[in-house]
Amino acid sequence: DAKTTQPPSMDCAEGRAANLPCNHSTISGNEYVYWYRQIHSQGPQYIIHGLKNNETNEMASLIITEDRKSSTLILPHATLRDTAVYYCIVCGATNKLIFGTGTLLAVQP
Amino acid sequence: DSGVTQTPKHLITATGQRVTLRCSPRSGDLSVYWYQQSLDQGLQFLIQYYNGEERAKGNILERFSAQQFPDLHSELNLSSLELGDSALYFCASSVVASGSETQYFGPGTRLLVL
Repeated sequence: DAKTTQPPSMDCAEGRAANLPCNHSTISGNEYVYWYRQIHSQGPQYIIHGLKNNETNEMASLIITEDRKSSTLILPHATLRDTAVYYCIVCGATNKLIFGTGTLLAVQP
Repeated sequence: DSGVTQTPKHLITATGQRVTLRCSPRSGDLSVYWYQQSLDQGLQFLIQYYNGEERAKGNILERFSAQQFPDLHSELNLSSLELGDSALYFCASSVVASGSETQYFGPGTRLLVL
């Protein structure tokens, strides 16, 4: 499974959009991009995933570049409860999620 | 609430002991995954079961074993415990839809080995 690179931390003002980037330059054709988040020591929470098209659900939007080498998770209106570590994971046929160190998003009041 | 349940929530035991962690997947999910999260190693995949059969293995120690029962719940057995086994243990169950598989995690079991 391809490796991902994320910034270690980001800040965002409450009510503003949070844009979390992820690089996955070695992604292969059948691998999906998944985003999870972990609030404090709770279980990782699934957010969204995609293959090549942009995706949106009630939590977030996922923008994947045309070459699929990078993606951005967008939380449209961040709240204090969105403060968490966000993990971008590329996963293919093996189905095992390989977590990196993620991005600690701190939403500021 | 992901629908995945794990018991117990907390476990404190001594070195050399054996413990069993339990996971109940979401209704209808056939796959169960186990992950370990320690301070120095982050979240690591241990093992996967699918409909009672072992499907994939990750960084699971020989002192650890797992199984999935006919009712699809799973147990992770940790034996000859060491201080370094202190960690959060998560299980996840998965659903396949439109060609992709999404894992949903339980709340975890926090194990402290003294």
